[in-house]
Amino acid sequence: KAGVTQTPRYLIKTRGQQVTLSCSPISGHRSVSWYQQTPGQGLQFLFEYFSETQRNKGNFPGRFSGRQFSNSRSEMNVSTLELGDSALYLCASSDYFSYNEKLFFGSGTQLSVL
Amino acid sequence: QQPVQSPQAVILREGEDAVINCSSSKALYSVHWYRQKHGEAPVFLMILLKGGEQKGHEKISASFNEKKQQSSLYLTASQLSYSGTYFCGTEIIGGSYGKLTFGQGTILTVHP
Repeated sequence: KAGVTQTPRYLIKTRGQQVTLSCSPISGHRSVSWYQQTPGQGLQFLFEYFSETQRNKGNFPGRFSGRQFSNSRSEMNVSTLELGDSALYLCASSDYFSYNEKLFFGSGTQLSVL
Repeated sequence: QQPVQSPQAVILREGEDAVINCSSSKALYSVHWYRQKHGEAPVFLMILLKGGEQKGHEKISASFNEKKQQSSLYLTASQLSYSGTYFCGTEIIGGSYGKLTFGQGTILTVHP
């Protein structure tokens, strides 16, 4: 099986712009989670989608949004970019994400906001 | 309610042992452990469930103390390949599915 695929791998944007990141989960997986990783902050939970529905959302401003399509692929969008949004954005997939299911992570999208 | 990991960093020589702790202020369903090498995706190591037993994977094992809401990851006879950042992730009892909250990470460096 192919792993979790995230595109693009790298992005450079300027303040005020918006960006869309894409995640293709492992075939058959229905849950996709998104995390923001910055040095010293670890992995911060953004949101999780299961069967096109957002089940959970982290403590991020409304500029961060996401969606999931019927084929389980997911996108996240960040509008009005700020310098502090520079980070590695990771997505992870699982079959049915609950307390006994492990996550499979993609390699991430490195976003730099100038 | 981010879990707290300790220590923040560990430096070892090959063959030495290390323990990484993960503590939560909330009652937990499960604790996940992942390892991330520089520039790579985090990789799953193991899950410990409430009421479950200690898990092991080669020379890496972990325990879950439900009374203390604390998990410990044990790395014995460390190898160079163990270097990386270790994250614990927790699912809270009373929380909803689909939310794994990670600690800030523990950087493990193994020298020859």
